Amino acid sequence: EAGVAQSPRYKIIEKRQSVAFWCNPISGHATLYWYQQILGQGPKLLIQFQNNGVVDDSQLPKDRFSAERLKGVDSTLKIQPAKLEDSAVYLCASSILYEQYFGPGTRLTVT
Amino acid sequence: RKEVEQDPGPFNVPEGATVAFNCTYSNSASQSFFWYRQDCRKEPKLLMSVYSSGNEDGRFTAQLNRASQYISLLIRDSKLSDSATYLCVVTGGSNYKLTFGKGTLLTVNP
Repeated sequence: EAGVAQSPRYKIIEKRQSVAFWCNPISGHATLYWYQQILGQGPKLLIQFQNNGVVDDSQLPKDRFSAERLKGVDSTLKIQPAKLEDSAVYLCASSILYEQYFGPGTRLTVT
Repeated sequence: RKEVEQDPGPFNVPEGATVAFNCTYSNSASQSFFWYRQDCRKEPKLLMSVYSSGNEDGRFTAQLNRASQYISLLIRDSKLSDSATYLCVVTGGSNYKLTFGKGTLLTVNP
């Protein structure tokens, strides 16, 4: 069974630039999550989708972060403009119930 | 108080040692509890669920004390391959939202 796919794996940008990440969940998983994991911390939920609807985006910095899941499958997460403190690994996960399966993540460095 | 707090670590133990990780959570309405494992520069993966009756999977034993809002993970006969960060995870409500602790780094030495 194919796992959660993410791209790119690594990205280096300058502050104030824009960046987008892509996620393809496991086939059939209705729920999709985006997490931010800063070095030395546990993952922090940014946004949760159920099919193509947003369930929870309470911790998404909406002034600069946006996410969409058109057609209820793939999802993109965008940061515009990026700040130095956005340097982190961005993890996508999908699930049917409680067990979440994570993708390999995108490691973002903002310089 | 943080939603999920774990032993800060790091833990450095010799092969064969027994090591225990502790975790507390603040939301008494939390419903489900898990331990995830995260290898260096890899994604988190589910290690085991935690039940009130306690559960065991080989060398790993997880315990939950709802009254004290406390979760533990015991690893017996540590192997080099157990070296990783162990994340305590708590969830509740109908939307399956997971809240992760900061993680505890374990290094098992030869």
